[in-house]
Amino acid sequence: QVQLVESGGGVVQPGRSLRLSCAASGFTFSDYGMNWVRQAPGKGLEWVAVIWYDGTNRYYADSVKGRFTVSRDNSKNTLYLQMNSLSADDTAVYYCARQDTAMVPPDSWGQGTLVTVSS
Amino acid sequence: DIVMTQSPDSLAVSLGERATINCKSSQSVLYNSNNKNFLGWYQQKPGQPPKLLIYWASTRESGVPDRFSGSGSGTDFTLTISSLQAEDVAIYYCHQYYSNPLTFGGGTKVEIK
Repeated sequence: QVQLVESGGGVVQPGRSLRLSCAASGFTFSDYGMNWVRQAPGKGLEWVAVIWYDGTNRYYADSVKGRFTVSRDNSKNTLYLQMNSLSADDTAVYYCARQDTAMVPPDSWGQGTLVTVSS
Repeated sequence: DIVMTQSPDSLAVSLGERATINCKSSQSVLYNSNNKNFLGWYQQKPGQPPKLLIYWASTRESGVPDRFSGSGSGTDFTLTISSLQAEDVAIYYCHQYYSNPLTFGGGTKVEIK
């Protein structure tokens, strides 16, 4: 079955960096676009970034553009999110979610990893 | 950016009764080339990731009970739970995937009356 497992979250000081990973299994990873979506504590869902199935295109939310970088390694079935210049506003659970094509929404989500930005 | 506005913020419904959630997008999410609305609905229970219920505004995801239905077109959409069950207590989000940035509604919390 489809499995997405995020890792790399934790407590980090403002201004520092963190890299999240999302390990995929149970499907052909290289066939799917992948998204990062975050959810601040007690808040709604905020899309962060998407990377196409082959890595050729990437798009970001304005709130993270220039600070976050999404990447993937299809040989390792793994998605990444490099987060730099973190601030308290980035505190959230970060989910990875697969998306078959742009014609359909993300259909499978991981359990999420919590990132807390605090001094 | 397309802004998604849900109403109400919360609602309490008796078991077996109908629950209706509305969602309005700031611009049309109807993709003219295939006449499909790029609008989805998610259910999120506490401590869990979102679960896709509906896509293309009215197509149920595989395995989703048929008491869940979606309707609407263009900018106005509705999620209906025809007969609320205890396991339907959750927050429901509408979502547009018509254009980047992808955006979500603020959520509607459904509880048992």
